[in-house]
Parts: sequence; structure tokens; C-alpha cells
Amino acid sequence: SQKIEQNSEALNIQEGKTATLTCNYTNYSPAYLQWYRQDPGRGPVFLLLIRENEKEKRKERLKVTFDTTLKQSLFHITASQPADSATYLCALVMNTGFQKLVFGTGTRLLVSP
Amino acid sequence: NAGVMQNPRHLVRRRGQEARLRCSPMKGHSHVYWYRQLPEEGLKFMVYLQKENIIDESGMPKERFSAEFPKEGPSILRIQQVVRGDSAAYFCASSPPSRGGYEQYFGPGTRLTVT
Repeated sequence: SQKIEQNSEALNIQEGKTATLTCNYTNYSPAYLQWYRQDPGRGPVFLLLIRENEKEKRKERLKVTFDTTLKQSLFHITASQPADSATYLCALVMNTGFQKLVFGTGTRLLVSP
Repeated sequence: NAGVMQNPRHLVRRRGQEARLRCSPMKGHSHVYWYRQLPEEGLKFMVYLQKENIIDESGMPKERFSAEFPKEGPSILRIQQVVRGDSAAYFCASSPPSRGGYEQYFGPGTRLTVT
């Protein structure tokens, strides 16, 4: 069966450390993978997109890797801050004639001062 | 440039009533997507619309749910005869035609509670 797995347990880290979140998927062949941030009571906010032929993408303190052999994406936040505390969602973008997003359940990140 | 707007933000309906959720996409965006987020679950795709057309409704329940995106006005997600299991957050997203949905911009959501 098709699955997208993100750590359901919250990730607690100290300010200044690097947070690493994992997204694993099975039985999908995504064209792209995206990461979103969601705060309580709000809609997801797009952060980064990485294509299947890209290994790594960076944006400021964010870095995403995409390994289509392992079927895994890692999302890193360096020099984390309390303001980074949120739920982070990975989404597979399927090429089904239009770019359909299939979301993981998200990982909650808590950065303590 | 205002973001994606959804209203109402909170909606309470009794079982058997109808729920109408509205979504105004960002200016210049002609693609609209609806997602549902059940408690403790991820966002699930429901339907993808362009102006006056339903492109893909593979995620919509077969009964009681319908969606439209008229030439003028917001996109509407309509749920008839609501049941308790319809309680969820419903999110609308939009994207411009040139981006083909790669980046989707989400609204704040409508939280539907069925009593």
C-alpha cells in the first residue's frame, strides 16, 4: 500500500542546534517533493520544493535532501530558533496530469530557548 | 496582494444541515484545490478546480459533497446533510496557471463542527 511516513512524535531540540526531520514514502513515484510549515489553527505555508533529479536544495537556514533510491527526504533547520516551533509537513507531488499533493501527517518541532 | 481567503473561519452545524464553505483564491490564481484535515491526520486532497471546471474530484466522497468554482465569485465546497464524521478543518489552496500547482498557497481554513 502507499504510505508517507513522518515521525509522529514531537522533536524537541535546544535553540541553536540543527533540527532534522524525516519523510519516508513507499509505493509512490513523485515528480517533486515539497515541505510546508503549519502553525496551530493556520493553513500550511510553502517552504521548499525539490525535484526528483535534485539531491539537495537550500534556502537560508533550511536544507532539503531527496533520495529517490531510499525514497526519503530529510529536512534540516540549522541554528534553530524558538520561532521555528511548528508542525512540518512533507508533500509528494504526483504527476497525474496536474500536480496533486499527497501529504504526510507532519512532525511537530519544539525548539526551546 | 491579499492571500487566499476562506470564510467562515468556524462553522457549527447540526447533523442533517448543509455546510457551505467559501474560498477566494489569490489575485491572478485560476487553480483551486480543496483539502480536508481530520484530527490527528494529514491533509487529504479532495478536489481540483479551474474556473467553471472540475478537473479532478478523486478525493471527494461520492455522496453529499460537491464543489464549484464559477466564472465570477469564490469557489464553494458544499456538504449536504452533514454528519459528525464531517467535522474537520477544510483548507483551500490556489496556484497561478503558470506554476501548475507546484507551489500552492493555502488559506487559513474553515473549521467545521457538526453537533
